[in-house]
Amino acid sequence: GAGVSQSPRYKVAKRGQDVALRCDPISGHVSLFWYQQALGQGPEFLTYFQNEAQLDKSGLPSDRFFAERPEGSVSTLKIQRTQQEDSAVYLCASSRGAALAKNIQYFGAGTRLSVL
Amino acid sequence: GQQVMQIPQYQHVQEGEDFTTYCNSSTTLSNIQWYKQRPGGHPVFLIQLVKSGEVKKQKRLTFQFGEAKKNSSLHITATQTTDVGTYFCAGRYTGTASKLTFGTGTRLQVTL
Repeated sequence: GAGVSQSPRYKVAKRGQDVALRCDPISGHVSLFWYQQALGQGPEFLTYFQNEAQLDKSGLPSDRFFAERPEGSVSTLKIQRTQQEDSAVYLCASSRGAALAKNIQYFGAGTRLSVL
Repeated sequence: GQQVMQIPQYQHVQEGEDFTTYCNSSTTLSNIQWYKQRPGGHPVFLIQLVKSGEVKKQKRLTFQFGEAKKNSSLHITATQTTDVGTYFCAGRYTGTASKLTFGTGTRLQVTL
């Protein structure tokens, strides 16, 4: 596709429900990132994949958050037993690679998660 | 921990006035990127600065990276209504691979 695609665009969940957010990166992009953006704040890093390998998950707020990229392309961010503080926009970004000339990140439109 | 702060948080200018946002890191950066996010939109890459003291220009936008690689600035000359949005700096630290640490952002409002 032309850009990073995320689905769904909006998700309303009841507290305690599990949710799964999908990211389709730009074709051929090796690196994939997930960020959480609260209202009025900058994106906060959650996790990073290089191909199918999750190289950094230091930003995941708790063990309720889990991300995978099994075939090195599409990625899913799963949040179990959602809580109100999980309400935010979840942004996915991809880049051609990690080297300086390839590390520009292209962002998707995000998934706005509201937990009631 | 590693933090990136930006000032001001918000600026309102009249069209034609200049605008500057400043970005400061608590520790030395490997490189820094700047992004623009329109209201309701997603961050869009503007530029990357790598070298100490580097200055880059894009039309009315001038980006600087400090000599100590701990601060950066974005200056817009003669703002236009199309410049409206939030400007974020995002830094990389040595040893953190591709991870970006975003600044707090500066929201720019431009009126006629």
